[in-house]
Amino acid sequence: GQQLNQSPQSMFIQEGEDVSMNCTSSSIFNTWLWYKQDPGEGPVLLIALYKAGELTSNGRLTAQFGITRKDSFLNISASIPSDVGIYFCAGFNNNDMRFGAGTRLTVKP
Amino acid sequence: NAGVTQTPKFQVLKTGQSMTLQCAQDMNHEYMSWYRQDPGMGLRLIHYSVGAGITDQGEVPNGYNVSRSTTEDFPLRLLSAAPSQTSVYFCASSYSAGVGEQYFGPGTRLTVT
Repeated sequence: GQQLNQSPQSMFIQEGEDVSMNCTSSSIFNTWLWYKQDPGEGPVLLIALYKAGELTSNGRLTAQFGITRKDSFLNISASIPSDVGIYFCAGFNNNDMRFGAGTRLTVKP
Repeated sequence: NAGVTQTPKFQVLKTGQSMTLQCAQDMNHEYMSWYRQDPGMGLRLIHYSVGAGITDQGEVPNGYNVSRSTTEDFPLRLLSAAPSQTSVYFCASSYSAGVGEQYFGPGTRLTVT
Protein backbone atom coordinates (compact mmCIF):
# COMPACT_ATOMS: atom_id res chain seq x y z
CA GLY A 1 0.00 0.00 0.00
CA GLN A 2 0.93 3.64 -0.20
CA GLN A 3 2.96 4.64 2.86
CA LEU A 4 3.86 8.17 3.89
CA ASN A 5 6.98 8.77 5.98
CA GLN A 6 6.75 11.99 7.96
CA SER A 7 9.64 13.54 9.88
CA PRO A 8 10.51 14.57 12.43
CA GLN A 9 8.18 12.74 14.83
CA SER A 10 8.38 15.60 17.32
CA MET A 11 9.95 19.03 17.67
CA PHE A 12 10.59 21.27 20.68
CA ILE A 13 11.30 24.84 19.68
CA GLN A 14 11.47 28.31 21.17
CA GLU A 15 8.83 30.86 20.32
CA GLY A 16 9.95 32.90 17.32
CA GLU A 17 11.93 30.09 15.70
CA ASP A 18 11.19 28.70 12.24
CA VAL A 19 10.06 25.09 11.80
CA SER A 20 10.40 22.68 8.92
CA MET A 21 8.86 19.23 8.50
CA ASN A 22 8.58 16.93 5.52
CA CYS A 23 6.84 13.93 4.10
CA THR A 24 8.05 11.35 1.58
CA SER A 25 6.35 8.48 -0.19
CA SER A 26 7.31 5.58 -2.42
CA SER A 27 4.21 6.36 -4.51
CA ILE A 28 3.18 9.37 -6.56
CA PHE A 29 0.29 11.53 -5.36
CA ASN A 30 -1.82 13.95 -7.37
CA THR A 31 -2.53 16.17 -4.36
CA TRP A 32 -0.54 16.84 -1.21
CA LEU A 33 -2.21 18.36 1.85
CA TRP A 34 -1.16 19.52 5.29
CA TYR A 35 -3.49 19.34 8.31
CA LYS A 36 -3.18 20.43 11.95
CA GLN A 37 -4.88 18.62 14.80
CA ASP A 38 -5.44 20.02 18.28
CA PRO A 39 -6.14 17.66 21.23
CA GLY A 40 -9.65 16.20 21.18
CA GLU A 41 -10.52 17.69 17.80
CA GLY A 42 -10.56 16.68 14.17
CA PRO A 43 -7.80 17.72 11.74
CA VAL A 44 -8.08 21.14 10.14
CA LEU A 45 -6.81 21.79 6.62
CA LEU A 46 -3.87 24.20 6.43
CA ILE A 47 -2.67 24.01 2.83
CA ALA A 48 -3.54 21.99 -0.30
CA LEU A 49 -1.10 21.56 -3.21
CA TYR A 50 -2.19 20.38 -6.66
CA LYS A 51 0.80 20.68 -9.02
CA ALA A 52 4.33 19.32 -8.89
CA GLY A 53 6.70 22.14 -7.91
CA GLU A 54 3.88 24.27 -6.51
CA LEU A 55 4.82 26.52 -3.59
CA THR A 56 1.87 27.85 -1.57
CA SER A 57 1.65 30.10 1.48
CA ASN A 58 -1.02 30.58 4.11
CA GLY A 59 0.09 33.32 6.49
CA ARG A 60 3.24 32.14 8.24
CA LEU A 61 2.91 28.69 6.67
CA THR A 62 4.56 27.70 3.39
CA ALA A 63 4.31 24.30 1.73
CA GLN A 64 5.74 22.80 -1.44
CA PHE A 65 4.70 19.92 -3.68
CA GLY A 66 7.86 18.06 -4.67
CA ILE A 67 8.90 17.84 -8.31
CA THR A 68 8.85 14.03 -8.22
CA ARG A 69 5.29 14.11 -6.74
CA LYS A 70 6.59 11.81 -4.00
CA ASP A 71 7.30 14.41 -1.33
CA SER A 72 6.19 17.63 0.30
CA PHE A 73 7.44 19.95 3.03
CA LEU A 74 5.83 22.45 5.39
CA ASN A 75 7.58 25.46 6.90
CA ILE A 76 6.26 27.58 9.74
CA SER A 77 7.98 30.91 10.26
CA ALA A 78 8.25 32.86 13.51
CA SER A 79 6.43 30.24 15.61
CA ILE A 80 3.97 31.31 18.29
CA PRO A 81 2.50 29.32 21.21
CA SER A 82 -0.77 28.59 19.36
CA ASP A 83 1.21 26.66 16.72
CA VAL A 84 1.37 23.80 19.24
CA GLY A 85 -0.31 20.66 17.92
CA ILE A 86 0.18 17.70 15.62
CA TYR A 87 0.80 18.36 11.95
CA PHE A 88 -0.11 15.70 9.39
CA CYS A 89 0.82 15.42 5.75
CA ALA A 90 -1.60 13.62 3.45
CA GLY A 91 -1.44 12.39 -0.12
CA PHE A 92 -4.57 12.06 -2.23
CA ASN A 93 -5.21 9.92 -5.34
CA ASN A 94 -8.53 8.79 -6.85
CA ASN A 95 -10.63 9.48 -3.75
CA ASP A 96 -8.14 7.66 -1.51
CA MET A 97 -6.31 9.70 1.16
CA ARG A 98 -3.21 8.48 3.01
CA PHE A 99 -1.79 10.23 6.08
CA GLY A 100 1.64 10.44 7.60
CA ALA A 101 2.06 9.57 11.29
CA GLY A 102 2.32 13.24 12.26
CA THR A 103 4.83 15.72 13.70
CA ARG A 104 4.11 16.82 17.26
CA LEU A 105 5.17 20.46 17.70
CA THR A 106 5.84 22.02 21.11
CA VAL A 107 6.57 25.74 21.31
CA LYS A 108 8.22 27.09 24.45
CA PRO A 109 7.39 30.72 25.24
CA ASN B 1 -23.75 25.87 8.97
CA ALA B 2 -22.90 23.24 11.57
CA GLY B 3 -20.33 21.66 9.21
CA VAL B 4 -19.63 17.97 9.89
CA THR B 5 -21.29 16.58 13.01
CA GLN B 6 -20.70 13.21 14.66
CA THR B 7 -22.57 11.34 17.36
CA PRO B 8 -21.93 10.02 19.90
CA LYS B 9 -18.76 11.69 21.17
CA PHE B 10 -17.85 8.74 23.38
CA GLN B 11 -18.98 5.11 23.37
CA VAL B 12 -18.04 1.95 25.24
CA LEU B 13 -19.04 -1.41 23.76
CA LYS B 14 -18.60 -5.01 24.80
CA THR B 15 -17.03 -7.45 22.35
CA GLY B 16 -19.64 -8.71 19.93
CA GLN B 17 -22.04 -5.80 20.30
CA SER B 18 -23.12 -3.77 17.29
CA MET B 19 -23.54 -0.05 16.91
CA THR B 20 -23.78 2.74 14.37
CA LEU B 21 -21.66 5.88 14.40
CA GLN B 22 -23.56 8.77 12.93
CA CYS B 23 -22.15 11.43 10.62
CA ALA B 24 -23.97 14.31 8.98
CA GLN B 25 -22.94 17.37 6.97
CA ASP B 26 -25.00 20.38 5.99
CA MET B 27 -22.72 21.74 3.27
CA ASN B 28 -24.23 19.73 0.39
CA HIS B 29 -20.89 17.98 -0.05
CA GLU B 30 -20.66 15.20 -2.59
CA TYR B 31 -17.82 13.22 -0.99
CA MET B 32 -17.87 11.75 2.53
CA SER B 33 -15.44 9.45 4.28
CA TRP B 34 -14.66 7.63 7.51
CA TYR B 35 -11.22 7.34 9.14
CA ARG B 36 -9.85 5.74 12.26
CA GLN B 37 -6.97 7.18 14.26
CA ASP B 38 -4.90 5.01 16.58
CA PRO B 39 -2.27 6.32 19.05
CA GLY B 40 0.90 7.54 17.37
CA MET B 41 -0.51 6.97 13.91
CA GLY B 42 -2.04 9.03 11.21
CA LEU B 43 -5.59 8.59 10.07
CA ARG B 44 -6.48 5.55 7.99
CA LEU B 45 -9.34 5.54 5.50
CA ILE B 46 -12.09 2.99 6.21
CA HIS B 47 -14.78 3.67 3.61
CA TYR B 48 -15.77 6.56 1.41
CA SER B 49 -18.69 7.70 -0.73
CA VAL B 50 -18.68 9.86 -3.85
CA GLY B 51 -22.42 10.46 -3.75
CA ALA B 52 -25.74 9.11 -2.53
CA GLY B 53 -26.00 5.40 -3.25
CA ILE B 54 -22.27 4.99 -3.99
CA THR B 55 -19.73 3.67 -1.49
CA ASP B 56 -16.29 2.13 -1.75
CA GLN B 57 -13.63 0.61 0.47
CA GLY B 58 -10.59 2.40 1.78
CA GLU B 59 -7.39 1.12 3.32
CA VAL B 60 -8.91 -0.69 6.35
CA PRO B 61 -12.56 -1.66 5.58
CA ASN B 62 -12.80 -5.03 7.37
CA GLY B 63 -15.35 -5.14 10.19
CA TYR B 64 -17.17 -1.99 9.04
CA ASN B 65 -20.19 -1.35 6.82
CA VAL B 66 -21.46 1.91 5.36
CA SER B 67 -24.36 3.16 3.29
CA ARG B 68 -25.24 6.55 1.81
CA SER B 69 -28.97 6.95 1.27
CA THR B 70 -28.88 10.77 1.37
CA THR B 71 -26.30 13.43 0.54
CA GLU B 72 -26.23 14.59 4.16
CA ASP B 73 -25.74 11.34 6.11
CA PHE B 74 -23.03 8.68 6.08
CA PRO B 75 -23.35 6.24 9.01
CA LEU B 76 -20.64 3.73 9.90
CA ARG B 77 -21.79 0.37 11.27
CA LEU B 78 -19.85 -2.06 13.42
CA LEU B 79 -21.72 -5.37 13.19
CA SER B 80 -19.73 -7.26 15.84
CA ALA B 81 -17.31 -5.06 17.75
CA ALA B 82 -13.80 -6.32 18.54
CA PRO B 83 -11.14 -4.84 20.88
CA SER B 84 -9.03 -4.09 17.78
CA GLN B 85 -11.68 -1.56 16.79
CA THR B 86 -10.94 0.59 19.84
CA SER B 87 -9.99 3.88 18.22
CA VAL B 88 -11.04 7.44 17.51
CA TYR B 89 -13.25 7.66 14.44
CA PHE B 90 -13.47 10.73 12.24
CA CYS B 91 -15.94 11.52 9.52
CA ALA B 92 -14.99 13.99 6.79
CA SER B 93 -16.56 15.57 3.73
CA SER B 94 -15.48 17.39 0.59
CA TYR B 95 -17.50 19.43 -1.89
CA SER B 96 -16.56 17.13 -4.76
CA ALA B 97 -15.24 13.67 -5.41
CA GLY B 98 -11.65 13.73 -6.60
CA VAL B 99 -10.80 16.71 -4.39
CA GLY B 100 -8.55 16.16 -1.41
CA GLU B 101 -9.64 19.15 0.67
CA GLN B 102 -11.73 17.58 3.40
CA TYR B 103 -13.51 18.99 6.43
CA PHE B 104 -13.41 16.79 9.50
CA GLY B 105 -15.92 16.23 12.27
CA PRO B 106 -14.95 16.31 15.97
CA GLY B 107 -14.57 12.53 16.24
CA THR B 108 -16.08 9.63 18.20
CA ARG B 109 -13.91 7.88 20.79
CA LEU B 110 -14.85 4.20 20.85
CA THR B 111 -13.65 1.67 23.40
CA VAL B 112 -14.40 -2.04 22.96
CA THR B 113 -13.85 -4.20 26.05
